[in-house]
Amino acid sequence: QQPVQSPQAVILREGEDAVINCSSSKALYSVHWYRQKHGEAPVFLMILLKGGEQKGHEKISASFNEKKQQSSLYLTASQLSYSGTYFCGTEGGDDKIIFGKGTRLHILP
Amino acid sequence: NAGVTQTPKFRILKIGQSMTLQCTQDMNHNYMYWYRQDPGMGLKLIYYSVGAGITDKGEVPNGYNVSRSTTEDFPLRLELAAPSQTSVYFCASSTQRGETQYFGPGTRLLVL
Repeated sequence: QQPVQSPQAVILREGEDAVINCSSSKALYSVHWYRQKHGEAPVFLMILLKGGEQKGHEKISASFNEKKQQSSLYLTASQLSYSGTYFCGTEGGDDKIIFGKGTRLHILP
Repeated sequence: NAGVTQTPKFRILKIGQSMTLQCTQDMNHNYMYWYRQDPGMGLKLIYYSVGAGITDKGEVPNGYNVSRSTTEDFPLRLELAAPSQTSVYFCASSTQRGETQYFGPGTRLLVL
C-alpha cells in the first residue's frame, strides 16, 4: 500500500517549474508532503485533507483528487534551495502514514 | 522548545547486541512514530503510537519493540541486532491525525 511517486528524478534549471505526483491504491484521509536534504531530517511542506482543507507553506501549492487517490505538488519558479528529495506520505484513516520512495529534484543554476 | 530529540546520534553495534534508541518530544503531542530510512530509499514505518499506553505495528516491525509509558517518550528497542537493521532511524510526532509531523534529527545505526 506504499504510494507511488513520479517521476523518480527531475533536473531543472533555476526558474523552471516542476510537478511531482503521488498515487495510492487505497482511499485516503490525508496526503503529506515533505522535503529532505542529504543527511538531514524531512521537513514539512504541506498536508492535504479529505474534504479540501490544506495546511502548508504559502509558496508551495498542491492538489488532492480524492476520487482518484492522487496528489500533485507544484513547484513554480524553482530556486536552488528547492533541491532535495520530495516524499509524499498517505494516511487512509488508520493513523499510519506510509511514505513513497521519493522524487529526487536537482536544480541547476 | 527543543521539539523532537533523539539519542544517540550515531552508534555501532555488533551482531546480536541489543540497544534502545531514545526519542523525546516536548510539544505535548499525542501521536509519535518511528521510521527507518535505508540509504537512498524512502521512510518505512516501524511502529507508531496515538497516545500513552497505546502502540501499534507499522510496515516493518519485525526485530523491534516499543513502549509508550509517557506522552513525551517513545523508545525503540532493538533485540539481537542484525546487519539488515543498519539504517537511519527517525522519530516523529504530531498533535493528531492530519497534522504536521515534526521529525527528530535521526540516529545512524551501523550493525557489523
